[in-house]
Amino acid sequence: DQQVKQNSPSLSVQEGRISILNCDYTNSMFDYFLWYKKYPAEGPTFLISISSIKDKNEDGRFTVFLNKSAKHLSLHIVPSQPGDSAVYFCAATYYGGSQGNLIFGKGTKLSVKP
Amino acid sequence: EAQVTQNPRYLITVTGKKLTVTCSQNMNHEYMSWYRQDPGLGLRQIYYSMNVEVTDKGDVPEGYKVSRKEKRNFPLILESPSPNQTSLYFCASRGLRRTDTQYFGPGTRLTVL
Repeated sequence: DQQVKQNSPSLSVQEGRISILNCDYTNSMFDYFLWYKKYPAEGPTFLISISSIKDKNEDGRFTVFLNKSAKHLSLHIVPSQPGDSAVYFCAATYYGGSQGNLIFGKGTKLSVKP
Repeated sequence: EAQVTQNPRYLITVTGKKLTVTCSQNMNHEYMSWYRQDPGLGLRQIYYSMNVEVTDKGDVPEGYKVSRKEKRNFPLILESPSPNQTSLYFCASRGLRRTDTQYFGPGTRLTVL
């Protein structure tokens, strides 16, 4: 049973516009959420995170929004740049859950076109 | 430079021939983990370790073994590889807190014929 879902396998956006990547989760015990970015032939790298006590966290061009009632989070990239083209993984964890192991979604491939 | 290293980066082998993928980190992290990435399935955890001599199964442990004899190393062992273990493998490490940033290695592309 998939606990973290990224329902859009791919997304294409024009350079300079906003990219919105979505993630839904089913486990209401999740209290910490993360986004990782992965380029081809490289390992995933941490991008941004948010605790369940917040509904927004911002880091430069990247903002993550959390809607606990809807069990939904989203990553906004503004403005999008061609270098943002990568696969983005949403992940979640909760206190007491298997030593805090991360549960990953299947990923969304973002393509930013010049 | 803080990093997680994996070797080899690419490996083609045949069914049944034992292999080991090494993983090493230089950040003195207690927690280490192995994942596999397959098309349409995302990242799935194979095994993890909270510290030396402490290992536990992840979501897809069948066909794999691990050991943690030293803090910095966490090798992944395939005793008898099969074609369904053809995948992209990532090692990762972080501190003890689950909110610590998890760092990933560059990946090992394994093909089992």
